[in-house]
Amino acid sequence: QVQLQESGPGLVKPSQTLSLTCTVSGGSINSDSYYWSWVRQPAGKGLEWIGRVYISGSTNYNPSLKSRVTISIHTSKNQFSLRLSSVTAADTAIYYCARWDRTGGDAFDIWGQGTMVTVSS
Amino acid sequence: SSELTQDPAVSVALGQTVRIICQGDSLRYYYASWYHQKPGQAPVLVVYHKDKRPSGIPDRFSGSSSGNTASLTITGAQAEDEADYYCTSRDTSGNHPVFGGGTKLTVL
Repeated sequence: QVQLQESGPGLVKPSQTLSLTCTVSGGSINSDSYYWSWVRQPAGKGLEWIGRVYISGSTNYNPSLKSRVTISIHTSKNQFSLRLSSVTAADTAIYYCARWDRTGGDAFDIWGQGTMVTVSS
Repeated sequence: SSELTQDPAVSVALGQTVRIICQGDSLRYYYASWYHQKPGQAPVLVVYHKDKRPSGIPDRFSGSSSGNTASLTITGAQAEDEADYYCTSRDTSGNHPVFGGGTKLTVL
């Protein structure tokens, strides 16, 4: 079965760029049935959708983060990535990658385990 | 603020039935999906497409929808159902997903 795994630095300095990668295993990222998404969760708070990428490379972003977010897909590596620029302490959160099933259910059907990112000098 | 509204907390006695509600204008047009999240774990999909369950999710979990309200019902709540529950759907423009603020379910 398909599994997702986040990777990247756990500590980022303020004003710098947060970069994370999600590796898809057990299946191909090259499917037109799914969007590949990033979701975050500050400690003790709810889930926030960051954005998503399709196999074509087309993207959608949360309007509140759009000016700072870039999500890319790397089909040859079965990976997709997140870059969030000009980070502040407010970006400290657990970051999840997730698969959105656009044809079977309009839902996040598979999630990574999440990775904690702290923004601090 | 979220376009989907959930009660912050709900409690249920062990073995009883509880309904968790999600409200928002987009629910008139788009299906809701529901997730539970236990401490230190990633969210898990429990209901999608309004009333479908992924394989492995017990049939005590069910979903429904009417107007601007989607509901997750747990019939015969178990101790292991104690978790945070989130709804999601599309935003009112239909362009991207939004999450409700979450409901903390306590099983007494």
